Amino acid sequence: DTGVSQDPRHKITKRGQNVTFRCDPISEHNRLYWYRQTLGQGPEFLTYFQNEAQLEKSRLLSDRFSAERPKGSFSTLEIQRTEQGDSAMYLCASSHPPYETQYFGPGTRLLVL
Amino acid sequence: QKEVEQNSGPLSVPEGAIASLNCTYSDRGSQSFFWYRQYSGKSPELIMFIYSNGDKEDGRFTAQLNKASQYVSLLIRDSQPSDSATYLCAVNMELSGGYNKLIFGAGTRLAVHP
Repeated sequence: DTGVSQDPRHKITKRGQNVTFRCDPISEHNRLYWYRQTLGQGPEFLTYFQNEAQLEKSRLLSDRFSAERPKGSFSTLEIQRTEQGDSAMYLCASSHPPYETQYFGPGTRLLVL
Repeated sequence: QKEVEQNSGPLSVPEGAIASLNCTYSDRGSQSFFWYRQYSGKSPELIMFIYSNGDKEDGRFTAQLNKASQYVSLLIRDSQPSDSATYLCAVNMELSGGYNKLIFGAGTRLAVHP
């Protein structure tokens, strides 16, 4: 088991472009979370999946953001019409009940020019 | 009031000393608490979790929890320069349906100098 993986690790895009990030959780973990972290702040919760069901979305997740986990394994996070304020580290974490401990992937650092 | 508060630091300690990191939280119903370490440019790495009042030790790390005071702390004994990082306190918030999300503080930057 190699832990949570994320791809790409870095993304530079121009304002207005769409970007998509992928997260592969630890293989036996059925809970998957997305967080966003900006400089000097702790990670902020974006959304949560249990298997393929998206059960919770933060108000931070505007309608330009969409996340999927179609087969209950990997997940994608898409940002449409990116804005400079979207520049951040996007973190994915996974866990497996009954344990609440979340393990984070390496993150995708997004820079919107 | 922020849900999870930490002193941003930097907390500077000499090598070999004890570093004490503190965290307060607002939700009295919170039951589980986590400490993550984050090196610059990297993702958070789990150090410890604690559920019960009192102390929990793991190697050089001790987590302390006082639910009545809504206070969590992390002690690092024999601090090493490699401990220099930002330490994030996270509180588990239970959502309807029995699942949870973590609420993080902004982190305390620790600098251990030789």
